[in-house]
Amino acid sequence: NAGVTQTPKFQVLKTGQSMTLQCAQDMNHEYMSWYRQDPGMGLRLIHYSVGAGITDQGEVPNGYNVSRSTTEDFPLRLLSAAPSQTSVYFCASSSQGSYNSPLHFGNGTRLTVT
Amino acid sequence: TQLLEQSPQFLSIQEGENLTVYCNSSSVFSSLQWYRQEPGEGPVLLVTVVTGGEVKKLKRLTFQFGDARKDSSLHITAAQPGDTGLYLCALSRGSARQLTFGSGTQLTVLP
Repeated sequence: NAGVTQTPKFQVLKTGQSMTLQCAQDMNHEYMSWYRQDPGMGLRLIHYSVGAGITDQGEVPNGYNVSRSTTEDFPLRLLSAAPSQTSVYFCASSSQGSYNSPLHFGNGTRLTVT
Repeated sequence: TQLLEQSPQFLSIQEGENLTVYCNSSSVFSSLQWYRQEPGEGPVLLVTVVTGGEVKKLKRLTFQFGDARKDSSLHITAAQPGDTGLYLCALSRGSARQLTFGSGTQLTVLP
């Protein structure tokens, strides 16, 4: 029972480098989202998707791109990493049936940009 | 942007003590969820409260939704070390499951 799987668990980048954070879920959930978590600021929504082929911006989208070519996968791309993007990134999914459906989170990717 | 404030930010107590943490919004919200997060893991849903004045119990945890639907509280009775974690409240906006999270209460229960 994998749930939401994020890779890698840890990553160090230099300023200007690009990378993709992977997220996959095996629960056939329509809704997927990316959050970043910083000390004292809780989790902030970066991008979300309500289904394959559909994505939208959240609260803090700048510097990040997403795509949703399949129901299972929702990768997050950093085009040119900046120190301000040092954070812990969480991917989450839920069924679309009810607005109160719980979010299922992965275990996060800890990213450091030097 | 709807502000969601949690207090206290940090709480350290001895095993067996009771505690309450609070979640307050600047405006009325339709529903609120409470999550707990342990180190190295993602948040896990504890409960959803929907109706003003609603009270839900989950073993030693009691969740209350304010009558005016602008605040919520989490009360833990006889806290145990296993209750240690970051407690987050979150409210839902729109139909796309966009959750707005509070900054959390970091609870440490000492044996």
